[in-house]
Amino acid sequence: NAGVMQNPRHLVRRRGQEARLRCSPMKGHSHVYWYRQLPEEGLKFMVYLQKENIIDESGMPKERFSAEFPKEGPSILRIQQVVRGDSAAYFCASSPTSNQPQHFGDGTRLSIL
Amino acid sequence: EDQVTQSPEALRLQEGESSSLNCSYTVSGLRGLFWYRQDPGKGPEFLFTLYSAGEEKEKERLKATLTKKESFLHITAPKPEDSATYLCAVLNQGGSEKLVFGKGTKLTVNP
Repeated sequence: NAGVMQNPRHLVRRRGQEARLRCSPMKGHSHVYWYRQLPEEGLKFMVYLQKENIIDESGMPKERFSAEFPKEGPSILRIQQVVRGDSAAYFCASSPTSNQPQHFGDGTRLSIL
Repeated sequence: EDQVTQSPEALRLQEGESSSLNCSYTVSGLRGLFWYRQDPGKGPEFLFTLYSAGEEKEKERLKATLTKKESFLHITAPKPEDSATYLCAVLNQGGSEKLVFGKGTKLTVNP
């Protein structure tokens, strides 16, 4: 019974490159959430998606960041033209419906050189 | 704005020494309060959901309680394997599914 799968686990990019983070939710879960965890900071909400729809992107930076959850395949968090401040752990969570506990993957650690 | 404050930031216990972690919250109508455990290099692992004041949940050596302003995670006779960071998060009644997290309490249990 696989949990939330994120890949890659570690990603290194140079400033100005693009980062693509993938998340496959738990089986039977159609709600996906992305959070960011900066060093010494708590987890911060970024975006909430259902299949083919962005429901809430209130935590997403207005520029360079985008997210999708296509009909087929994993959810993708995309960061264009990365900067040093984007270095963080990015966690994906999923739930079967809203108002259910969110279950987290083990994250992608993004490092910007 | 919803806020969650956890205390203490770090706690060291001897094996068998019971204690409590605190989670104070301000939220515009509480829909649920969640406790997670996070090990180094891992994602948060769900422990409990509490929905209303007076509610309690138990799992092995852990018991979570909820009042209108705070939640406690009681750890009875902890073991070294209970060492982790414990996170508290709230969900408000505004319709958003956004969890608002505290910064966590790092628990170390020495043998």
